[in-house]
Amino acid sequence: DGGITQSPKYLFRKEGQNVTLSCEQNLNHDAMYWYRQDPGQGLRLIYYSQIVNDFQKGDIAEGYSVSREKKESFPLTVTSAQKNPTAFYLCASSRVDLTNEQFFGPGTRLTVL
Amino acid sequence: DAKTTQPTSMDCAEGRAANLPCNHSTISGNEYVYWYRQIHSQGPQYIIHGLKNNETNEMASLIITEDRKSSTLILPHATLRDTAVYYCIVRTSGTDKLIFGTGTRLQVFP
Repeated sequence: DGGITQSPKYLFRKEGQNVTLSCEQNLNHDAMYWYRQDPGQGLRLIYYSQIVNDFQKGDIAEGYSVSREKKESFPLTVTSAQKNPTAFYLCASSRVDLTNEQFFGPGTRLTVL
Repeated sequence: DAKTTQPTSMDCAEGRAANLPCNHSTISGNEYVYWYRQIHSQGPQYIIHGLKNNETNEMASLIITEDRKSSTLILPHATLRDTAVYYCIVRTSGTDKLIFGTGTRLQVFP
């Protein structure tokens, strides 16, 4: 089955620890994205990448870092510098064309204690 | 990117058409209108998009006014599984960013 996988679905960490969320896609999409969603809110863009070894900051990149070493993978690290890391994190991918239909993964709910 | 305005919530009876409005009065000529929906605690799902013509697919229809300042998403026969938050998004051609607002929470009741 083609799609996007994120793991784990739920993640708990202690304050001050870095944590890396995984995102893998087998759709052969060039572009990948990370969003954050807080309760009752829409999604906000953290980082995105249109091609391997290149990525751009979104609207709320502070306290986060990413890498894009492979086309299929776009891991997100939530660093200790992120002031309010508890949130629902969503990864997406798309072709780089006019349509830009983004396919989303199931999300990871991160709770920092 | 142009901003969109949607009602906070709507109800619809099962089997009836659900008509979800969206205002995007500052939309410019090369900006597309996209609709996504998000069922509770899942990732958003693409529904449909359009530029100026009305569009239809197996999920829904998108009606865009002639002046492009507003649009309506139509689910022709709503089911309980259509209960979700529906996001109307305006995206500038050539950019990859989707700016999600708070959307419309559609509740389909039996």
